[in-house]
Amino acid sequence: DIQMTQSPNSLSASVGDRVTITCRASQSIASFLNWYQQKPGIAPKLLIYAASSLRSGVPSRFSGRGSGTDFTLTISSLQPEDFATYYCQQSYTTPMYTFGQGTKVEI
Amino acid sequence: QVQLQESGPGLVKPSQTLSLTCTVSGDSIISGSYYWTWIRQPAGQGLEYIGRVYPYGNTDFNPSLKSRVAMSVDTSKNQFSLKLTSVTAADTAVYYCAREGVVGLAYYHDYWGQGLLVTVSS
Repeated sequence: DIQMTQSPNSLSASVGDRVTITCRASQSIASFLNWYQQKPGIAPKLLIYAASSLRSGVPSRFSGRGSGTDFTLTISSLQPEDFATYYCQQSYTTPMYTFGQGTKVEI
Repeated sequence: QVQLQESGPGLVKPSQTLSLTCTVSGDSIISGSYYWTWIRQPAGQGLEYIGRVYPYGNTDFNPSLKSRVAMSVDTSKNQFSLKLTSVTAADTAVYYCAREGVVGLAYYHDYWGQGLLVTVSS
């Protein structure tokens, strides 16, 4: 199985901050990496697919980069509604997808 | 707007079978090149992919659950279903149904149900 490791597990930030979350795969996954946002009690929401493609309707302050084993999700200017847990997901080993453990972004 | 809604019992006894249904609205389950999937999340933990079903019957499952999982589609009701046999407390989780789309070879889950908490307990 491909293991996905996110860092940090949690971070504290303020509105307006630039925030970067890292996701590392245990082997190369090319660009088959998605990012999701989850708020308490709510289903995950797709933000970015194929490492850097922004889903329609997602604010442009979210961006993704990377390929191979190392990926990042950046929020350029944190907004109050962005406080949530973020998960990466590899879709390289179809259909045995695996998720990272999550990164909680809090005040 | 595509919407998904899980339904089924919230409490299942150990060793019994968990059966859930996902009703899709806003799109026909056979209209596009989508898979229909189940993903679960134990309380306070991360996400685990259970498996997927294609409208014409093809299925793929997480190897760790494969021996206990079945999925099916009812195109007349625009629904798909999950069965998980011989459940234990470790199967207690919020179960999500989701649509799996693809661009090129890049798969992703773009629409999710609200989730259904299933507790395994006697």
